[in-house]
Amino acid sequence: RKEVEQDPGPFNVPEGATVAFNCTYSNSASQSFFWYRQDCRKEPKLLMSVYSSGNEDGRFTAQLNRASQYISLLIRDSKLSDSATYLCAVARGGTPLVFGKGTRLSVIA
Amino acid sequence: DAGITQSPRYKITETGRQVTLMCHQTWSHSYMFWYRQDLGHGLRLIYYSAAADITDKGEVPDGYVVSRSKTENFPLTLESATRSQTSVYFCASSGNVLGNEQFFGPGTRLTVL
Repeated sequence: RKEVEQDPGPFNVPEGATVAFNCTYSNSASQSFFWYRQDCRKEPKLLMSVYSSGNEDGRFTAQLNRASQYISLLIRDSKLSDSATYLCAVARGGTPLVFGKGTRLSVIA
Repeated sequence: DAGITQSPRYKITETGRQVTLMCHQTWSHSYMFWYRQDLGHGLRLIYYSAAADITDKGEVPDGYVVSRSKTENFPLTLESATRSQTSVYFCASSGNVLGNEQFFGPGTRLTVL
C-alpha cells in the first residue's frame, strides 16, 4: 500500500457545486497534514493545513479522520478558478512530507 | 520578498552532460528540498537538507548530487544526465521543523536529449 493515496479524478463539476476529495495515508504515526493546490505547469501552493479538530477557510473545509486514516477537502460553491490539481501531503514526526499524486478538479460553467 | 527562486527555468541538455539546477531562498528556512514531478508519479523527493552541510537522501537520489554550503542555496547537480531525468524539478523550503508545511519554487523544466 502506498504511503499516501488519492483518487486521481478528474472530478468534473458544475459551477456552484460542492465537491469533496479524500486522501488516505498508511502510517498511523502521521502527524502533519496539508492540502496543496497546483495549477497546470505551476508549482504546488499551500492551500491549508489540516488540524485534528477540522478547519475552515472560506469555501474550503479540511477534516482529519485518524481512525480511518484519511484527510478530506470539501469545496463549497465551486468557482471556475478552483479548477486545478489538489495534492495532499502527510508527514510523520521528523520526516519530510510525502505527497499524494493529486486529484484533478475541473469546474465547468 | 523574493521567497524561493530557481534557475534556470528551462533547460535542454544532452545525455552525458553535467547540469546544475540552482535554488535560492530568502526566508532563512532551515530545510530545503528537491523534488522531481513526472506524470504518473507525482512529486518524488530526491534530496533534502536540514542545514548548511547536512543533506539526506530522499526517495530517488540516484544520479543526483547536492550540496549546501550556504543556508540560502541548495544546488542540485546531475553529474551525467540521462533521458530518464527529463522532468520538472521543484525546490522547496520549510522552517525549523521537518514535516512542517513547505513552500515551493517555480520549478525548472529539464529536457535531456
